[in-house]
Amino acid sequence: SAVISQKPSRDICQRGTSLTIQCQVDSQVTMMFWYRQQPGQSLTLIATANQGSEATYESGFVIDKFPISRPNLTFSTLTVSNMSPEDSSIYLCSVGHRQNEKLFFGSGTQLSVL
Amino acid sequence: GENVEQHPSTLSVQEGDSAVIKCTYSDSASNYFPWYKQELGKRPQLIIDIRSNVGEKKDQRIAVTLNKTAKHFSLHITETQPEDSAVYFCAANSDYKLSFGAGTTVTVRA
Repeated sequence: SAVISQKPSRDICQRGTSLTIQCQVDSQVTMMFWYRQQPGQSLTLIATANQGSEATYESGFVIDKFPISRPNLTFSTLTVSNMSPEDSSIYLCSVGHRQNEKLFFGSGTQLSVL
Repeated sequence: GENVEQHPSTLSVQEGDSAVIKCTYSDSASNYFPWYKQELGKRPQLIIDIRSNVGEKKDQRIAVTLNKTAKHFSLHITETQPEDSAVYFCAANSDYKLSFGAGTTVTVRA
């Protein structure tokens, strides 16, 4: 499986600020996704990061709050904008290949908003 | 979209006993069903998966069964060990995206 590097691993932020999370893969992947895992909860898909075009957001998530970039097949960023304490969560990038659908996760970013 | 339900939410078993987790899904077009294990503070790890063209798959002490007609699939862990203690998530695909169940916290008692 691919090596997925995600940073920062954790951060503590003030409300109203923004944080950008980076996801770097050591090989080209066709699929990249961003998930949120709230404390003690399951994984919720935020959006599909599309290479060279706008991300596809799931219901309940909007581009203004969670802008995503994916300039190439190995890198993506997720920004959590205008943060509030409700955004405190673990954010995970995940990658896979369209042809076999196996999905692998980065190590996650533990975000705390004060 | 896909809706995945998972039961039980918690499961405590004696070391050496078996553990079974069950999931149901709603989208009849789903054809890929992975299981993830997440230890505390770690990322979810893919432990086994099954596609709709088979009914059962086994890998050492873990096995997964699929009933497409009933739209349910299960994870079976035999001869449980303390290192099996973790949260387990089932998932089902829909349009190349995975929807996850709520998770099962498995505790193996020594």
